[in-house]
Amino acid sequence: QKEVEQDPGPLSVPEGAIVSLNCTYSNSAFQYFMWYRQYSRKGPELLMYTYSSGNKEDGRFTAQVDKSSKYISLFIRDSQPSDSATYLCAIDANFGNEKLTFGTGTRLTIIP
Amino acid sequence: DAGVIQSPRHEVTEMGQEVTLRCKPISGHDYLFWYRQTMMRGLELLIYFNNNVPIDDSGMPEDRFSAKMPNASFSTLKIQPSEPRDSAVYFCASSFGTDEKLFFGSGTQLSVL
Repeated sequence: QKEVEQDPGPLSVPEGAIVSLNCTYSNSAFQYFMWYRQYSRKGPELLMYTYSSGNKEDGRFTAQVDKSSKYISLFIRDSQPSDSATYLCAIDANFGNEKLTFGTGTRLTIIP
Repeated sequence: DAGVIQSPRHEVTEMGQEVTLRCKPISGHDYLFWYRQTMMRGLELLIYFNNNVPIDDSGMPEDRFSAKMPNASFSTLKIQPSEPRDSAVYFCASSFGTDEKLFFGSGTQLSVL
């Protein structure tokens, strides 16, 4: 079993819809949870990170962590065509870049 | 700053040839990471450096892979000899401190025929 599982998609939704992206993980020692966005032919860029269970909001983006279920989500409200990208979750036990475990990514397309 | 700069953007080579990928980290960053990304395995850490010193190369798949960082502004990842299964996108990333934001380059798309 992989440490982090992520549905690869692809996922296509109409502009303005709410998008839900998800990852599950197996190791209860993981405490830090990040979402990266990767545009085509570009490197990943950090979108959000959170430490505890619960929700963290940043504009149209909300990161949600449920440690009891080992499940993390990223919600995008009022989705825009510019949100079309691959979204990768990344998880860490000790908040150090050298130990990040990445999901394989979900490819998202927002249809105008 | 121009960000993390990688070259070349694309590399097509034949099996058995030597391949060298290059990276210039963001000035002032003391950590440098090499990753490989494939559809099946996602993003995998190959090796990382701190202050130009290799700290952990346990992710390097085989002895055919080697990495160097001769100074704070330059690193190379070399594959010799290359094989078709090495085909992937290779990313370099840097950060100021291991727990600070990680900045990725745009990657090198490597195709080994």
